[in-house]
Amino acid sequence: DAGITQSPRHKVTETGTPVTLRCHQTENHRYMYWYRQDPGHGLRLIHYSYGVKDTDKGEVSDGYSVSRSKTEDFLLTLESATSSQTSVYFCAIRGQGWETQYFGPGTRLLVL
Amino acid sequence: QQPVQSPQAVILREGEDAVINCSSSKALYSVHWYRQKHGEAPVFLMILLKGGEQKGHEKISASFNEKKQQSSLYLTASQLSYSGTYFCGTETGGTSYGKLTFGQGTILTVHP
Repeated sequence: DAGITQSPRHKVTETGTPVTLRCHQTENHRYMYWYRQDPGHGLRLIHYSYGVKDTDKGEVSDGYSVSRSKTEDFLLTLESATSSQTSVYFCAIRGQGWETQYFGPGTRLLVL
Repeated sequence: QQPVQSPQAVILREGEDAVINCSSSKALYSVHWYRQKHGEAPVFLMILLKGGEQKGHEKISASFNEKKQQSSLYLTASQLSYSGTYFCGTETGGTSYGKLTFGQGTILTVHP
């Protein structure tokens, strides 16, 4: 258990509404990531953070923004949700020592 | 560029062995292996680093051919609990330090 929680765990929203997903970690890791997972595409990186207020884009960043004002929290915002953003969203942290990534439980988002 | 996994799916009976391959078109710094069960988050299995170092769970073995940019995961004497989707994540290092690109996954099904 890498001490990662995500909220909400499930969300249904309508096209055009803003949505914010939260990732919270308890172990002071520097690196945090947001992925989306869709059938046939595996896990695709949306954005990542390498420190407070330090973020960068991943391969599928269009339509998403992130913020990290505290080490423990990494927020993903869909400014105006679209049906193509229906997906399962996973947050991850990069662990110390083994330098691999550990995933949170995921958030299932349905955009109607 | 997403790494390519093969096979896409494999079906085994308990006790049989399987090999899952991961191939990249880029020079790799590390390869990370995960298993994901339906409806759950990916779980870390093993990391293989350039230079030969490996870290992971005792019952899992893997190889990393740096020259060919390939990794293989070896599942021996399979158990029902091995069923799931296996992902490799590749890290190229340099300016991409800390970022993983995942393959599309290999679905492993173990029958009694």
